[in-house]
Amino acid sequence: NAGVTQTPKFQVLKTGQSMTLQCAQDMNHNSMYWYRQDPGMGLRLIYYSASEGTTDKGEVPNGYNVSRLNKREFSLRLESAAPSQTSVYFCAGREQETQYFGPGTRLLVL
Amino acid sequence: EDQVTQSPEALRLQEGESSSLNCSYTVSGLRGLFWYRQDPGKGPEFLFTLYSAGEEKEKERLKATLTKKESFLHITAPKPEDSATYLCAVPSGGYQKVTFGTGTKLQVIP
Repeated sequence: NAGVTQTPKFQVLKTGQSMTLQCAQDMNHNSMYWYRQDPGMGLRLIYYSASEGTTDKGEVPNGYNVSRLNKREFSLRLESAAPSQTSVYFCAGREQETQYFGPGTRLLVL
Repeated sequence: EDQVTQSPEALRLQEGESSSLNCSYTVSGLRGLFWYRQDPGKGPEFLFTLYSAGEEKEKERLKATLTKKESFLHITAPKPEDSATYLCAVPSGGYQKVTFGTGTKLQVIP
């Protein structure tokens, strides 16, 4: 099993550009999550999906949208990237109480 | 508001020098406490879940303990490969959400 996978690994965008971060899991998780991690801030929840077909806002949802395409895939979209969105983005799946994380996407917005 | 505070922010140990990392939390109705390890450039990796005060869990040189207000991650005779950032987290704000601390960066010197 690959676990939780994320693409791309690294991306550079210009301000105003859009992009979609992809996440897929093969662990049959019902719940999936998107976090961002910034120095000194810890992991902050952007959006989550408790089950296929549902999504909810987390702590820092502004500037982002998500799609739970099916049980396996949960994508995060930046419609108009801003320098404040420079961060490392992690996707996670949940099994009972435990979250399992992907390897992350490093995003630089210039 | 649920809060998780980790100390120290950084810790440098000689190989074999045992120490402890602290995670203090403020949450209404503790439903568990998680410890994760994060290596540079990677996603957090699950280590332990503790559910009630007095509970202990061990894995190799690591032992996690829980009281009503804090958790400790004890590292016995650490090796350089134990160098990583250690994160603690608690379920909060509903069944789906988790609040993370900002982590303790551990460096073990040979």
